[in-house]
Order: sequence, then C-alpha cells, then structure tokens
Amino acid sequence: QKEVEQDPGPLSVPEGAIVSLNCTYSNSAFQYFMWYRQYSRKGPELLMYTYSSGNKEDGRFTAQVDKSSKYISLFIRDSQPSDSATYLCAMSGQGGSEKLVFGKGTKLTVNP
Amino acid sequence: GAGVSQSPRYKVAKRGQDVALRCDPISGHVSLFWYQQALGQGPEFLTYFQNEAQLDKSGLPSDRFFAERPEGSVSTLKIQRTQQEDSAVYLCASSLDLNEQFFGPGTRLTVL
Repeated sequence: QKEVEQDPGPLSVPEGAIVSLNCTYSNSAFQYFMWYRQYSRKGPELLMYTYSSGNKEDGRFTAQVDKSSKYISLFIRDSQPSDSATYLCAMSGQGGSEKLVFGKGTKLTVNP
Repeated sequence: GAGVSQSPRYKVAKRGQDVALRCDPISGHVSLFWYQQALGQGPEFLTYFQNEAQLDKSGLPSDRFFAERPEGSVSTLKIQRTQQEDSAVYLCASSLDLNEQFFGPGTRLTVL
C-alpha cells in the first residue's frame, strides 16, 4: 500500500459543476497538506497549502483536511474549462524543508 | 530569475549513454529538491539539498544517479549508463521559507 492514495480518474464534468477530489494517507507524521495543479507538459503549480486539520478557502477552491480519518479533499466550485488539468495531492511532515509525498494525480476535464 | 528553470526541456538518449540535467532555482532559495515523475504517476522524491549540502539522497534509485549543487545555487542531476526504465520527467523544485516548493517545467528524458 502506498503512503498516499488518490483515484487517478479520469473525471469529466460539465462547466459550472462542483468538483470533489480527495486523497487518503497512512502516515500519521504528515502535518502539511498541499494540492498542486499540473497542466500537460508543465511543472506542478501550488493551489492550496494547509497545515494540520481544518478548512481553507481561496476563491473557488476549498481544501479540507481530516487528520483523524487521514483524508484530504479539494473542492472546486463553478468549474471552468481552464480548470482541466491533473490535480496532485502532496504532503509532508515538515513543510517545505522536507520531501513531498505525492498521490498519483486525478485527471480532470471540464467540458464547456 | 522569475521562476525555476530547467534545461534541457527534452532529452533523448541511447541506452548506456550518460546524461546531465540542469536546474536553476529561484535566486536566494536555500532548499532544492529533485523528483522523478513517470507517465501517469505523481512525482517521486529523489534527493534534497540545503545550500550545497546534500541532506537526503534516499530516493535515488541506484548508484547510477548522482546529484550535486557545488555552490549552493545551480544543481545538476547526472544519470550514468541510462536504462529504459529511467525514461521519465525529472522535476526540480526550490523553496525559501520552509513552506511552498516551486517547481520547474521539468526535463522529459526518453531512453531508447
């Protein structure tokens, strides 16, 4: 079993839909949780960064962390075709000074 | 510079050849990471530098892989005697404040 599990999809939704992406993990030492967006043939770009449990909102994006269940989620409201990308969850025990452990990534397509 | 840059962007090597991949981190960033991303997978950690010190090389898959950052800025990842299983995108990331890791566009290596 991998440390971080993420359903690779693909996920296809109509424009305007609410998208829910999630990851589970097994390592209790993880304290920092991130969501990256990766367009084809580009490097990952940080979307959301959360420390410990709780919710964080930024525009159309909401990240949730439930450490008791070892489960993290990313919600995208009013999805747009430009949101079409692969979404990677990542986590670490010590933030930016430590290696990130990534999920496999979920490929999302938002259809106009 | 404005972001992390990597060169070359694409590299084709014949099996058995040596390759060198370059990473220019964001100016002033102390931490530098190398990751390997196979097709359809999330990035996997290779090695980590803090300034010129290589603090973690636990992710390097074999002794054919070698990384250096002699002056604490530019880093080079070298792969000797390349094999087909080395074909992947090699991503470099840098960070300053122990939080966000900024990724470069990656070098896509194809070993024939």
